Amino acid sequence: NAGVTQTPKFRVLKTGQSMTLLCAQDMNHEYMYWYRQDPGMGLRLIHYSVGEGTTAKGEVPDGYNVSRLKKQNFLLGLESAAPSQTSVYFCASESPTEAFFGQGTRLTVV
Amino acid sequence: GESVGLHLPTLSVQEGDNSIINCAYSNSASDYFIWYKQESGKGPQFIIDIRSNMDKRQGQRVTVLLNKTVKHLSLQIAATQPGDSAVYFCAEATINQAGTALIFGKGTTLSVSS
Repeated sequence: NAGVTQTPKFRVLKTGQSMTLLCAQDMNHEYMYWYRQDPGMGLRLIHYSVGEGTTAKGEVPDGYNVSRLKKQNFLLGLESAAPSQTSVYFCASESPTEAFFGQGTRLTVV
Repeated sequence: GESVGLHLPTLSVQEGDNSIINCAYSNSASDYFIWYKQESGKGPQFIIDIRSNMDKRQGQRVTVLLNKTVKHLSLQIAATQPGDSAVYFCAEATINQAGTALIFGKGTTLSVSS
């Protein structure tokens, strides 16, 4: 049982490049989330989805886009990466009572 | 802006002692609160949650207390062990028409020495 799987685990981008982070869950959860974690800032919600085909903005959505074409996958896109987007990104999916997190993606934008 | 915070960024305890990690929140409409543990290099792991209509909930070696009067949440860990060393986050969840969004506090680093 894989739970929540994030790919890739590490990535270095140049400023202006684009990339997509993939989150996959095998628990048939409706709710999925993308967070970023920065030193001293805790986890901040970027975007979330309450079901296939739906997405909503979180606390810090600027510079990111998301898609939920399939229930099990939640994609986070960076169209034009900036150094301020250097962070650790966590995906989570949620049952009615508990959220399960992936292992994180460490992204560095140079 | 952030509505969940913690009183102390770090807490150091001796093995075997009880630990208390505190959290203050500002959104009185939150439906439930959760504590997460995050070990180095890993994603957060669920520890325990408490609904807004409760004031205490116990798990294995952990107890969460909710004081809605002063908007305060605490996590008590009994007989703290070195394996408890991690960053602990409180989070609040509000269920609305758009769904449920978890908002996290900044975290408290718990260090347990032998």
